[in-house]
Parts: sequence; structure tokens; C-alpha cells
Amino acid sequence: SAVISQKPSRDICQRGTSLTIQCQVDSQVTMMFWYRQQPGQSLTLIATANQGSEATYESGFVIDKFPISRPNLTFSTLTVSNMSPEDSSIYLCSVEEAPGQPQHFGDGTRLSIL
Amino acid sequence: SQQGEEDPQALSIQEGENATMNCSYKTSINNLQWYRQNSGRGLVHLILIRSNEREKHSGRLRVTLDTSKKSSSLLITASRAADTASYFCATDTGRRALTFGSGTRLQVQP
Repeated sequence: SAVISQKPSRDICQRGTSLTIQCQVDSQVTMMFWYRQQPGQSLTLIATANQGSEATYESGFVIDKFPISRPNLTFSTLTVSNMSPEDSSIYLCSVEEAPGQPQHFGDGTRLSIL
Repeated sequence: SQQGEEDPQALSIQEGENATMNCSYKTSINNLQWYRQNSGRGLVHLILIRSNEREKHSGRLRVTLDTSKKSSSLLITASRAADTASYFCATDTGRRALTFGSGTRLQVQP
């Protein structure tokens, strides 16, 4: 399966700042996704990162707050903008190499906002 | 919103015992996937079962799927302390993005 590198692995940020999380895959994949896991909770889909076009956001998530880029089939970034303590979560990218195949996850970015 | 629920929310067993976790979901699916998460880290993929399959095995893991009841179960046999983790089911309803259940926290006592 694809090897997924996500960085940073963790960060502590100040309120009002922005942080960009990178997700790099060692092979071309058809689908890339970004999820959020709030403390003690399950995972919630933020958006599907579309190669060469705007991401598809889920209800409750907007591009101004979570801009996403996917310039090619192996790389994507998620930015968490104008952060507040409520954004403290683990952010995870995942990839699907082909339709119907398992979805694999990076190690996640643990984000704390002071 | 969550696609479904898992039960129990938490499970504590002794090493060597079997652990069973159940997952229910709400809509038709293409496949259902089970994951393990250790201490808030990334998710490790365990098993994918397709909607036309009823049972799959992988080592000490056995997954069943009942599409008529919209439910699945994960059985871990002969559990070990290293199996201590949170376990999540996740469904692909055709969108390819996954919808996760609420998770089960498994504690295996040595």
C-alpha cells in the first residue's frame, strides 16, 4: 500500500494564526481526503482534495477556514486558518489508490491552539 | 454526522479472551472498513469487506457483514495486550470518502 508522510506531526499555535499541513504519498493515488478528529471523538470528513481543481467540502466546513490544495496526484495541503482553541484536533489525510481499495491514513497532525 | 454507532463504547477484557465489537450504519454501502487507532495516532487499516461479502478473515481478525440489518462485527480472537486501542468502522456509500462510526475503546489486561 501507499506510504503516506504527513507533517508536521504536531504543533502548538497561537490563536489567530494559520498552519499548513502537508500530505505526501509515495505513489500516484486517485483520491485524497482530509479528516478531523476532535478530542475523544471519531473522525469527520472535512473535504475531498481534487487534483487541479477546488476541493469538495462537507457541510460545516468552508474554504476560507480550511483551504486545500492538490497540485498533483501525490501531494496535498490543508491550511487551518485564523485558528481558535476549538480547532484543537488531530488532522489526518487519507488516500485511496484505486476505486474499491482500502483507504489508508497518514499518522496525523496533532494541533493545539493556545 | 456519523453514519452509525458502535458498541460497546468501551470494552475491557483479559489477555487470551476474545473481543467482539459491533457496528451499525444507516444507508446502503459499497464496502465497510475496520481500523485500529493507537493513542490518538494515525489509523491502521485492518479489513475491508464488500457489500456482497458476508465474512472475511485476517489472522486473528474475523469480520462479518449483514447488509439486511445494516450491521457488522469485528472479532479479535486470543487477544493480546498489544491489541489495546480504539477500533472504528467506516462505510463507503459510493462517494469513496468514508463515514466513521463512533468507535470502541478496547483495553486488554495482561
